[in-house]
Amino acid sequence: AQSVAQPEDQVNVAEGNPLTVKCTYSVSGNPYLFWYVQYPNRGLQFLLKYITGDNLVKGSYGFEAEFNKSQTSFHLKKPSALVSDSALYFCAVREGNTDKLIFGTGTRLQVFP
Amino acid sequence: DVKVTQSSRYLVKRTGEKVFLECVQDMDHENMFWYRQDPGLGLRLIYFSYDVKMKEKGDIPEGYSVSREKKERFSLILESASTNQTSMYLCASSTRRGAGSPLHFGNGTRLTVT
Repeated sequence: AQSVAQPEDQVNVAEGNPLTVKCTYSVSGNPYLFWYVQYPNRGLQFLLKYITGDNLVKGSYGFEAEFNKSQTSFHLKKPSALVSDSALYFCAVREGNTDKLIFGTGTRLQVFP
Repeated sequence: DVKVTQSSRYLVKRTGEKVFLECVQDMDHENMFWYRQDPGLGLRLIYFSYDVKMKEKGDIPEGYSVSREKKERFSLILESASTNQTSMYLCASSTRRGAGSPLHFGNGTRLTVT
C-alpha cells in the first residue's frame, strides 16, 4: 500500500538559515509526490509536485524539493527561511493510478526571528 | 485561480443532529473530495467523487454520506452527528485532465459536536 511518512512533528529554524522538512514514501511503481502548506485557519495550498524528470523541483514562495529514488525521499527545502514560512507542511503521494492523494501527518515549521 | 468555497467556517451542532457541509468549486473540475483533518493524524479521505452522481468511499466513510447532483457542488452529510466527528473538514477539487493534477482546497469547516 502507498504511504508517506513525515518523521518530524516540528522543525525549528532561525530566520535566514536553510530549512529542510523531511518526507519519505512507499509506493509500487513511479511515485507522484506533492507538498502542501497550511497557514493558520486556512485550507491547504499547493507548493510543488514531482511526476518525472529533474530530481530537483522548484515551487512557490522559493521552496524546492529533491526527489531521491534510492532513499525513497522527497524532502522540502528552502535556502533562507522567513518568519512568514511558519506553517504546517504536508507531504502527499498519489494513490496508485487514481486521482486521490494520501497525506502524511504534517510537520509544523517554526521560524524564529 | 481555482476557488473552492465551503459554506461555513465554523459550525456547532448537537449529538444526533443531521449535518450538511456544502462545497462549491468554480473551475469545472471533475473530481471532488472530502477530507477530515485531525492533529497527529494528518488528512484522511472520507469520500471522493469523480463525476456527477458518482462517488467512492475513502478510508473513513462510516457515519458519513455524500451527494453530488451538480458538477460544481459536493455535499458531505453526517447522518447523526457524534462527538467523535468533531474535526476540521476540508473540501478539495481537481481536474482529470493531465497527469498528477494537484488538489485545490477550500478553507475548511471546523465542526464541533456537543
